[in-house]
Parts: sequence; C-alpha cells; structure tokens
Amino acid sequence: DAGITQSPRHKVTETGTPVTLRCHQTENHRYMYWYRQDPGHGLRLIHYSYGVKDTDKGEVSDGYSVSRSKTEDFLLTLESATSSQTSVYFCAISESLENQPQHFGDGTRLSIL
Amino acid sequence: KNQVEQSPQSLIILEGKNCTLQCNYTVSPFSNLRWYKQDTGRGPVSLTIMTFSENTKSNGRYTATLDADTKQSSLHITASQLSDSASYICVVRETGANNLFFGTGTRLTVIP
Repeated sequence: DAGITQSPRHKVTETGTPVTLRCHQTENHRYMYWYRQDPGHGLRLIHYSYGVKDTDKGEVSDGYSVSRSKTEDFLLTLESATSSQTSVYFCAISESLENQPQHFGDGTRLSIL
Repeated sequence: KNQVEQSPQSLIILEGKNCTLQCNYTVSPFSNLRWYKQDTGRGPVSLTIMTFSENTKSNGRYTATLDADTKQSSLHITASQLSDSASYICVVRETGANNLFFGTGTRLTVIP
C-alpha cells in the first residue's frame, strides 16, 4: 500500500467549530489532493497542491482552506464547520497531473452536529 | 456537459460467476480512464488506467476495455470471489485541463 496516512480517521464536532484534517505521505509525490465523498455523488475535488505552498481550488472549495508547508503534509481546514460538510474526506497523491490520482488514503469520516 | 455514468448502480452475483460493469462518458477531449476498487471503509485503489490508444488492459481477474469511438468502457471480473465485494468507480480525465470526472460507482456484492 502507498504510504498515505489520514488523521483523524473519525471525528464528531459541532457546527461553528474549526476542524483540521491531516494527510501525511511518505512517497515524496509532488501532487496532493483533498476530496469529499457523499452518497449519490462521485468523489469531488476540494483543493489540490502542486508543491510546497502551491495550492489551487477544486470544484467544491467554498468553506475550506488548505496548507502545505512540507512535501509530505497537506492540511484541510474547515474554518467554521457546517452540517453540509458532514462527509467522508479522502486525501490522494500523484507523481504527475496526468497520472492523478494514483493513491488514496483511507479517509476521515467527519460528522458535524 | 462532461459526464461519467456507470451502470448498474448495484449488482449481486454468486461466487465464481463473471460480471461486467459499464462506464459511459461524454468527456472530451479524452485523456485517460481509470477504474478503481473501493472496499467499505477504505480509500479507492487503482485497478487499471487506459489511454486513447489502449482498448484492453488486464490486472489479474480484472479486465478493462475501452472504446474511445463510442466513449464506453467496461470492467469484466472473472471467477468472482467474496473479496470482490466493493464499489467500482470509473474516472475520466480531460486532456489539457486539470479536470477529472468521477462516476458514482457500481456496488458489487458477491454471495456464497
């Protein structure tokens, strides 16, 4: 299995609180991605990174921010969580854009009450 | 509008039987198409990736086909096993843009 670790794996929090999800990779891949997966929808891209401190928005970026201070770490932050952000969040990595996304983490199940 | 549609939504088969999952897309221009397997509670795992010039690719008991003219792909599973129970997701990449289009998946259940 590719070396991708997401933490926490499960989290329950209240509306209005800040939440940070972490993705850590040991593959030294340049590209990292955050997706959310909801019933009835395909995986949807939130943000991605193409290098340290280089990030860009995806399809559903509103309400989310990201940071990448090191090659191996990509953080997803919900500044003020809302119930609509209850979802399963997946981190993914790839060596190139053409080959994306190569490997996924096992997800973080986030419930916002 | 670029789309990826998978069928059936769900499928139940007996262990040892074969099955075929379908993926139709309207994404253009086309770059590549990838099939993933997603076990419950896990992240998707890539099974195959196919470019425009490839029409068949195998990974063990999994064989993917691609018809770029009709914009259809299929994933054939041979001699199914209980461990094949999972969701199978089709993803199509658009050339020249950082755009991926995900299908909503087919949920396969293999029963003894």
